[in-house]
Amino acid sequence: GENVEQHPSTLSVQEGDSAVIKCTYSDSASNYFPWYKQELGKRPQLIIDIRSNVGEKKDQRIAVTLNKTAKHFSLHITETQPEDSAVYFCAASMNSGYALNFGKGTSLLVTP
Amino acid sequence: DSGVTQTPKHLITATGQRVTLRCSPRSGDLSVYWYQQSLDQGLQFLIQYYNGEERAKGNILERFSAQQFPDLHSELNLSSLELGDSALYFCASSVSGEGNEQFFGPGTRLTVL
Repeated sequence: GENVEQHPSTLSVQEGDSAVIKCTYSDSASNYFPWYKQELGKRPQLIIDIRSNVGEKKDQRIAVTLNKTAKHFSLHITETQPEDSAVYFCAASMNSGYALNFGKGTSLLVTP
Repeated sequence: DSGVTQTPKHLITATGQRVTLRCSPRSGDLSVYWYQQSLDQGLQFLIQYYNGEERAKGNILERFSAQQFPDLHSELNLSSLELGDSALYFCASSVSGEGNEQFFGPGTRLTVL
């Protein structure tokens, strides 16, 4: 089945810096790549997603890039703020609308 | 609030027992997914239902079962519970199976003593 690897597992940045989280997937049939943010004790919340027919997508301070050839995708957060501190999960879906295979998560800490 | 509801919020039980977790999807969503989140395994897909039918199975143990009812709510049944079953169980829903985003419920925290 699909295997999603996520790096780094922890990331500490200073407020205002950029943060980058990288994921790789194993199955070339995967075509949907969402990113979720999970605050302590809360539900995962979708922050951005990308489909395989798009190479990059941006939403304000957040952007995601996808390299289908290399089978990797990345989350970029610019001008980080303390409220960005959370665990971020990448995921890949083998087929449209099916189960999400999650990475192990990245704990992001933004220090003032 | 995602619109997905889960009950109960917390559940404490003993080994060997059986529990039922309930999920109501967002209005109009036909697909329901169950995920287990534990510290060592991360978020793992258990099972998906679409409009009452099982659509996909992940790493779901034989002791676990689920169903989706005609009103589209879903229940996850966990039996012969073991200490290792302690985890957060999330339900998510989406409009259809077609690559649309999944909205997660608040989760049920299960503690097996």
